[in-house]
Formats: sequence, structure tokens, C-alpha cells
Amino acid sequence: NAGVTQTPKFQVLKTGQSMTLQCAQDMNHEYMSWYRQDPGMGLRLIHYSVGAGITDQGEVPNGYNVSRSTTEDFPLRLLSAAPSQTSVYFCASRPTGTYEQYFGPGTRLTVT
Amino acid sequence: SQQGEEDPQALSIQEGENATMNCSYKTSINNLQWYRQNSGRGLVHLILIRSNEREKHSGRLRVTLDTSKKSSSLLITASRAADTASYFCATDDDGNKLVFGAGTILRVKS
Repeated sequence: NAGVTQTPKFQVLKTGQSMTLQCAQDMNHEYMSWYRQDPGMGLRLIHYSVGAGITDQGEVPNGYNVSRSTTEDFPLRLLSAAPSQTSVYFCASRPTGTYEQYFGPGTRLTVT
Repeated sequence: SQQGEEDPQALSIQEGENATMNCSYKTSINNLQWYRQNSGRGLVHLILIRSNEREKHSGRLRVTLDTSKKSSSLLITASRAADTASYFCATDDDGNKLVFGAGTILRVKS
């Protein structure tokens, strides 16, 4: 199994540009989530999904959209990037009935 | 948010010594988890302790939980240089919204 994969690894955007961060998992996990990590801080939950077609907001959802059309994929969209969205983004998944989350390697995003 | 707070923010020890990190949180929880993050990498789950448990062991890791004080500690015994990483506690009240603390940076000198 590849586990949780994220693309791209690095991205630089200009203010106002849009992009989609990709996340995929091959473990058939129902639950998937997106976090952002800023310097000196822990991870903060952006959005999560408990299964295909079901998404919900986390602690910091503003400026981000998600959708979940398949069990495997959970993309995160930035519609109009802002410098405040400069961060490292992590995707995670877990199987139903457990609490341990499996994290991807992260995407480092810089918005200028 | 019920964010956990770790103490100390940074810890530097010699190889072979024990490392203790503490975590405090604000509201009731279902469970508390500890994760490790090596520099530039994703987080790796270390151990989970449920709210009705007081202590749990896994290899060189020992976790305690005191729900009356809303605090937890992670002890790493006989530390190794490879234990150098950031350690985060994360609390969970409904299984869907994991809330992380700011982390403890551990440096183990060889």
C-alpha cells in the first residue's frame, strides 16, 4: 500500500490564484481530513469527510472548499489564494471504528 | 477550541536519558493521542489512551492520563538520537475533530 499520498510537494501561488491540493489513500478508509500547520503551532483541522459524498467543516474552513466523490480521493481547493494561506497542508485518513490517523507527507504552499 | 498545550516547548537531552513531555487540554475528551513528526515529514501515530484509562505502555513509551487535571504525559525511556522529533498531543471528543497542541521539540544528543 502507498498509504496517504499528496501532490504537489511544493507550490508557489500568487495572491488571487486558485489551485487544488490532491490527496489520495489506498487503504479504503472512510474518514479523511485536511489540516494546516503553521510555524510553532500544532495542526488545525480545515475540513473532514466521513465518507463519499459527506463533508463537514473543521476549525479553520474559510477560504477552502472540499468534495468527496470517491472513497480514495479528497481534494482541497483554494479558490482565491491569500498570503494568510501560506502553510504546510497535511491530509490524513483513518478506518471506521478507530481513532488513529495516517498522515500524508504534506504540501508546502507559499502565497506571495 | 479545546486545543492541548504541551510543556516544555523544547527539550534537549543526552542519548540514554528519559524524556518527559506534558500536555494539558480544556474540555472533556473521548481519548488522547500522541503523534511524532520528524522534520519536514507527516505525523506518525504513537499511542492512544482512552478517557477511562490511566496509564498505557508501548515499547519505550509510557503515557499517563489524569482526566481530573485534564493533563497527560508522555515518557520516552532510554532515548536515542532517532527520537529527535516534534511530539504532539491531540484530543478527540467525537472521533471526527482531532485537536492538536503546539508540540514539544525533542532533541536527543549522541
